[in-house]
Amino acid sequence: QKEVEQDPGPLSVPEGAIVSLNCTYSNSAFQYFMWYRQYSRKGPELLMYTYSSGNKEDGRFTAQVDKSSKYISLFIRDSQPSDSATYLCALCFSSGSARQLTFGSGTQLTVLP
Amino acid sequence: ETGVTQSPTHLIKTRGQQVTLRCSSQSGHNTVSWYQQALGQGPQFIFQYYREEENGRGNFPPRFSGLQFPNYSSELNVNALELDDSALYLCASSLVGANEQFFGPGTRLTVL
Repeated sequence: QKEVEQDPGPLSVPEGAIVSLNCTYSNSAFQYFMWYRQYSRKGPELLMYTYSSGNKEDGRFTAQVDKSSKYISLFIRDSQPSDSATYLCALCFSSGSARQLTFGSGTQLTVLP
Repeated sequence: ETGVTQSPTHLIKTRGQQVTLRCSSQSGHNTVSWYQQALGQGPQFIFQYYREEENGRGNFPPRFSGLQFPNYSSELNVNALELDDSALYLCASSLVGANEQFFGPGTRLTVL
């Protein structure tokens, strides 16, 4: 079993839809949670970072963490064609000063105009 | 503020050869991490460097090695290339102890 499981998609939605992207994890030592967006042939871009259970909102994006269920989500409201990309969840736990991100396999999202 | 840069963009090597990839960290960042991303997969942690020393390593063999320089730039070296080493190699910079890491555009390595 992988440490982080992510719905593989691909996911295709019409413009304006609400998108829900999800990851589950098995290691309760993970304390920090991130979502990255990766456009084709580009490096991942940090979208959201959170460390507590609950919701964190930033514009059209909401990150949700449920540590008791080991489940994290990213919601995109009013989705746009420019949101078409691969979305990666990334989890981290502290071990001294070293920080190692463990990624899900990514969900490919297409927003149709 | 200058972001993370990597060179070269693309590289083609043959099995058994050696390769060196380069990374310049974001201005003000003192820690560099390297990741390997196979097609259709998420990035996998190779190692992290801080103060010119390895500061954490993932499940990669010793033929993957690195360097960090006093200006915080970094190199990833891979010896005895194998076909499975074909991937996008990503460099990420951060402040020591910070969880957020900022990625460069990557170097796409093809091993024939």
